[in-house]
Amino acid sequence: GIQVEQSPPDLILQEGANSTLRCNFSDSVNNLQWFHQNPWGQLINLFYIPSGTKQNGRLSATTVATERYSLLYISSSQTTDSGVYFCAVEKSGRGSTLGRLYFGRGTQLTVWP
Amino acid sequence: SQTIHQWPATLVQPVGSPLSLECTVEGTSNPNLYWYRQAAGRGLQLLFYSVGIGQISSEVPQNLSASRPQDRQFILSSKKLLLSDSGFYLCAWSATMRDTRDSYEQYFGPGTRLTVT
Repeated sequence: GIQVEQSPPDLILQEGANSTLRCNFSDSVNNLQWFHQNPWGQLINLFYIPSGTKQNGRLSATTVATERYSLLYISSSQTTDSGVYFCAVEKSGRGSTLGRLYFGRGTQLTVWP
Repeated sequence: SQTIHQWPATLVQPVGSPLSLECTVEGTSNPNLYWYRQAAGRGLQLLFYSVGIGQISSEVPQNLSASRPQDRQFILSSKKLLLSDSGFYLCAWSATMRDTRDSYEQYFGPGTRLTVT
């Protein structure tokens, strides 16, 4: 398999603050996705970012595949940003299961008004 | 646009009873389909995946099984539930992958919360 480690495990912020979530992975990947799990359990796609940088509103993400990490930036956080943020990767190369995503344990983000 | 449905949304079942969870995808054809389970403590684990009708691969040995009777339908079943089967079950789809060099974004359904009592 492949190890996916996310940090920090928990993060508490006041509304308006910025934050950076990190995802480290142990092997080469074809695919890296960031998800937000809302209080109802729905996994919402944030970014599909096997390499490079993308931005979507207040959120942006950067993946440095050669150094095996990805960062998710949340700026001007809002209470609706609360929830669990997951990083998931698909291992590349021979012997890997097509499309199988390996998930980290997530970062629980709580934003207070 | 593509949508993915799961039902039921919640389910409470006694130990030893059978299980059938259904997942359907609309707006795409020949998708890859996946069943994941999320136990308490957040981590998601892949249970089954399918690249076509009748083609099922299992990632984790357990008392669960999966079937794909139609192109866009994926079913998770059990003949006798165990307490350890409790959890949040998520179905996902992605576009068909042509070979091992391609990779496509996965999209998840709303999930089924199963409690085995």
